[in-house]
Amino acid sequence: EVQLVQSGAEVKKPGESLKISCKGSGYSFTSYWIGWVRQMPGKGLEWMGVIYPGDSDTTYSPSFQGQVTISADKSLSTAYLEWSSLKGSDSAMYYCARPTDGYNTSPFDYWGQGTLVTVSS
Amino acid sequence: DIQMTQSPSSLSASVGDRVTITCQASQDISNDLNWYQQKPGKAPKLLIYGTSYLETGVPSRFSGSGSGTDFTFTISSLQPEDIATYYCQQSDTLPLTFGGGTKVEIK
Repeated sequence: EVQLVQSGAEVKKPGESLKISCKGSGYSFTSYWIGWVRQMPGKGLEWMGVIYPGDSDTTYSPSFQGQVTISADKSLSTAYLEWSSLKGSDSAMYYCARPTDGYNTSPFDYWGQGTLVTVSS
Repeated sequence: DIQMTQSPSSLSASVGDRVTITCQASQDISNDLNWYQQKPGKAPKLLIYGTSYLETGVPSRFSGSGSGTDFTFTISSLQPEDIATYYCQQSDTLPLTFGGGTKVEIK
């Protein structure tokens, strides 16, 4: 069974750093892209970027380029989303998701449970 | 980026009603259009991909159509369990982009 399990909720202060994780199981982790999607409180879905764990090839949405870092450790079957200096506007639910096949443009058919990030002084 | 304009932003309908949501792309995306359902507090769920293909296990009352820039999502007979927000997404060009969502409620 394909599963994506994300790390738990985080409460951070502005300016702090953070790295959240998404562990894949039940499939070949290095053969599928993993994407990240942001959902701000009461708002819609925003595609942030994707990474191919097999070679760490990464594509970001221009809206998120330079604001976050997406990485993966294939030995741990885990993808990461990282901030170096959080802002209040980073408060949101973050989902990782896996596409239906091996293409970075494919729709997401498996999703993590979400990680809630709260940034507040 | 390709902009996806979804309408309406919300709707209220009775059980058994036919519900239609539209999604317009800012440029031709062929048939690379997907629909997701998100229930409160849950992750999105893929319902339809490639404009009209139902994901395994999705009830046949859900359907999709369209091509190019104009797409339609239909629930043929609204059920109480269909209360959710629905999003379209284009998968033609990176970055993939979502519509703003349509919140479906029971009247």
